[in-house]
Amino acid sequence: DGGITQSPKYLFRKEGQNVTLSCEQNLNHDAMYWYRQDPGQGLRLIYYSQIVNDFQKGDIAEGYSVSREKKESFPLTVTSAQKNPTAFYLCASRADSGRTEAFFGQGTRLTVV
Amino acid sequence: AQSVTQLDSHVSVSEGTPVLLRCNYSSSYSPSLFWYVQHPNKGLQLLLKYTSAATLVKGINGFEAEFKKSETSFHLTKPSAHMSDAAEYFCVVTSTGTASKLTFGTGTRLQVTL
Repeated sequence: DGGITQSPKYLFRKEGQNVTLSCEQNLNHDAMYWYRQDPGQGLRLIYYSQIVNDFQKGDIAEGYSVSREKKESFPLTVTSAQKNPTAFYLCASRADSGRTEAFFGQGTRLTVV
Repeated sequence: AQSVTQLDSHVSVSEGTPVLLRCNYSSSYSPSLFWYVQHPNKGLQLLLKYTSAATLVKGINGFEAEFKKSETSFHLTKPSAHMSDAAEYFCVVTSTGTASKLTFGTGTRLQVTL
């Protein structure tokens, strides 16, 4: 089946640790995105990538890092510099950067313990 | 620049009655508009999209929306609500002039009661 796979579904992190969230798509899409979702705040853009080996900061990039070494993969690392990382993280992809719709993964819920 | 305003953070309807979720947008270019639905702890699923073709757009599960340029609106409607429609709904705008960014509204939580 074509789609976007995020893993793990739930992730627990101790304070001071870096963690990496996985996002893989087999839709052959060029553009990929990471969003953070907090209650009552909608979705906020962390990073996005329009092509392989290129990515741009979104609105809340501080404390996060990404890579785009392969077209199908766009992992997100939540670093210890992110002060409030507990949230629901959503990965998305689009066929291009024009006016097409985005397809979303099922999300990863990160909790700092 | 572009923005989206969902006018209601919470809407409650009785099962079998009409649903109206309101969305206003702002865009410097010709916009594409989308409605997504999100069930708890799930990803977002596309309900319908407007990309400059017909202004009345039909989507999945009986939902539809009408693009009104003069009112800068893209309200989502459904003639008869079902219990399974209870979820969070997001209105989203993008355009060719935004370097591929999607702009999301803050969401409307739809509650359906018996």
